[in-house]
Amino acid sequence: GAVVSQHPSWVICKSGTSVKIECRSLDFQATTMFWYRQFPKQSLMLMATSNEGSKATYEQGVEKDKFLINHASLTLSTLTVTSAHPEDSSFYICSAPIGEGNTEAFFGQGTRLTVV
Amino acid sequence: GQNIDQPTEMTATEGAIVQINCTYQTSGFNGLFWYQQHAGEAPTFLSYNVLDGLEEKGRFSSFLSRSKGYSYLLLKELQMKDSASYLCAVKDSNYQLIWGAGTKLIIKP
Repeated sequence: GAVVSQHPSWVICKSGTSVKIECRSLDFQATTMFWYRQFPKQSLMLMATSNEGSKATYEQGVEKDKFLINHASLTLSTLTVTSAHPEDSSFYICSAPIGEGNTEAFFGQGTRLTVV
Repeated sequence: GQNIDQPTEMTATEGAIVQINCTYQTSGFNGLFWYQQHAGEAPTFLSYNVLDGLEEKGRFSSFLSRSKGYSYLLLKELQMKDSASYLCAVKDSNYQLIWGAGTKLIIKP
């Protein structure tokens, strides 16, 4: 089946530094990638949609300058959390829609970010 | 506004059957998904319904009634490994996924 590989699975960083999270589609081409954030015991919240070769679309309330998204190829999308703060600590998950009519979405393993 | 409701938590016994309900109110409808999520892990796709009726896949079945804005996920022959959160999500008219908060299912021996 389709696999989406997300790296790293967990990261601890100091406040003020930047963290890059990578999401790769391993056996299919993903023209679109969704980036979600999930706080403990809460639902997935869509942050942005990355599109290969064009600018990402951000959801209302998500700072584009803080969460930089790059979708440079059909198999790689990256999310960079710039100048991270403790309130950015969360579980970040990417997903790629596949199937006819995008009826399925496969998720990366998720990245647990802790900012200290 | 758009809203998806599902119970916060349910408890069931190993070997039994459990039904997790989901009601939704969204701007448009382009399909309903059920995902399983173990703690600290990414969600795993379980089922997709776009037409009314029951879709069966092994021990798991999913039902949809578009007129009622209602779906359920039925899990049979429960196993301890089924302990997880089950997320209901609906694609709205803009093909955006709207997520429910998830139902934590606890399986007891």
